[in-house]
Amino acid sequence: TQLLEQSPQFLSIQEGENLTVYCNSSSVFSSLQWYRQEPGEGPVLLVTVVTGGEVKKLKRLTFQFGDARKDSSLHITAAQPGDTGLYLCAGRSISAGGTSYGKLTFGQGTILTVHP
Amino acid sequence: KAGVTQTPRYLIKTRGQQVTLSCSPISGHRSVSWYQQTPGQGLQFLFEYFSETQRNKGNFPGRFSGRQFSNSRSEMNVSTLELGDSALYLCASSTTSGRLTYNEQFFGPGTRLTVL
Repeated sequence: TQLLEQSPQFLSIQEGENLTVYCNSSSVFSSLQWYRQEPGEGPVLLVTVVTGGEVKKLKRLTFQFGDARKDSSLHITAAQPGDTGLYLCAGRSISAGGTSYGKLTFGQGTILTVHP
Repeated sequence: KAGVTQTPRYLIKTRGQQVTLSCSPISGHRSVSWYQQTPGQGLQFLFEYFSETQRNKGNFPGRFSGRQFSNSRSEMNVSTLELGDSALYLCASSTTSGRLTYNEQFFGPGTRLTVL
């Protein structure tokens, strides 16, 4: 079973601060996705990273995929109250055969609260 | 394009009962995946259907089952409900089966199931 460890679990910061969320695994993933989920809604995809060492930027959000494709990070610059939510990383398995191929494994999530 | 819809949004059942949840994917999407989300376990993969065939399966007991119809709509059923089945059940649709690296999933708002 592939596991994704996400840290920290909770993050409470002031508006304007920077933060980083980490997603680590001992398994290699074919791709890794980051989602944001707000109360009462389903997760919304933010980004997909595919290549080891890849860095993607989405406005104030920077996503990085580790060289070995086992870990990823999400960095938010100058956080705003609108960034508040549950951030989830999800890795797509590459095990050939069986029923695990192509499955998305989610991390436990990071609850981010940005205070004005 | 309308998003993924799930019905009902909220459901209260008692132990021992069975429940059926429904998911209508985005028009043109042939893959539907189901997830269970709880505070303790996070988001866990239940199963994925593509063109009416179950392609992937998570580690859940046989009480959890699903099916997909020819119009790609999907239902999941939980029999002999237990207190621990209380959760948010999320459905996600995508254009292709989860075996592709770039496969983007679009989530519905979920069905909140409470088992008393």
